Amino acid sequence: EAAVTQSPRSKVAVTGGKVTLSCHQTNNHDYMYWYRQDTGHGLRLIHYSYVADSTEKGDIPDGYKASRPSQENFSLILELASLSQTAVYFCASSEGRSYEQYFGPGTRLTVL
Amino acid sequence: QQKVQQSPESLIVPEGGMASLNCTSSDRNVDYFWWYRQHSGKSPKMLMSIFSNGEKEEGRFTVHLNKASLHTSLHIRDSQPSDSALYLCAARMNTGGLSGKLTFGEGTQVTVIS
Repeated sequence: EAAVTQSPRSKVAVTGGKVTLSCHQTNNHDYMYWYRQDTGHGLRLIHYSYVADSTEKGDIPDGYKASRPSQENFSLILELASLSQTAVYFCASSEGRSYEQYFGPGTRLTVL
Repeated sequence: QQKVQQSPESLIVPEGGMASLNCTSSDRNVDYFWWYRQHSGKSPKMLMSIFSNGEKEEGRFTVHLNKASLHTSLHIRDSQPSDSALYLCAARMNTGGLSGKLTFGEGTQVTVIS
């Protein structure tokens, strides 16, 4: 079974603070993704990457940066956290663009 | 405007009954559909994928795709309480290149009652 881990699993941040969410996969997958999910809703793509040292904007990139320093690791950075960024964040990986995405357990972020 | 629309928003199904979920894309560039299931408090897991016209069956789950109408449906027969979950439809828009972007719908919340 493909393995994607995320840290931290939950985080409380203050408005205006910096937050870094980390994702690690041991699947040897090329593609990695960051999504946010608001309660009871679908997933929205923030950033993704298909090769190390390169990231692409998703559908809602404003207020977020991403970093892919290696094939295994993909980080999401909130430079100035805002209340509207309170959500659950999921990282996922896939072997290629036509393959199943495997999701991590999620990080619950609360911005106060 | 949402590029992937799911209906209904919620569905209550008796145990042993049939659940039917719908998903339509408003973008003609779509070339792949996936169905994911997400139990409460858990991460999404893929159920099935489809990219050719027609039907695909895996156990109690059947997926249909009509590419002309950009519509896919998921049918769950003999529904079990463990099928209670949020069902998410995802579509890949073929914009060329290496993009693996998926667009998810808002989901259908299925509740199976005994």
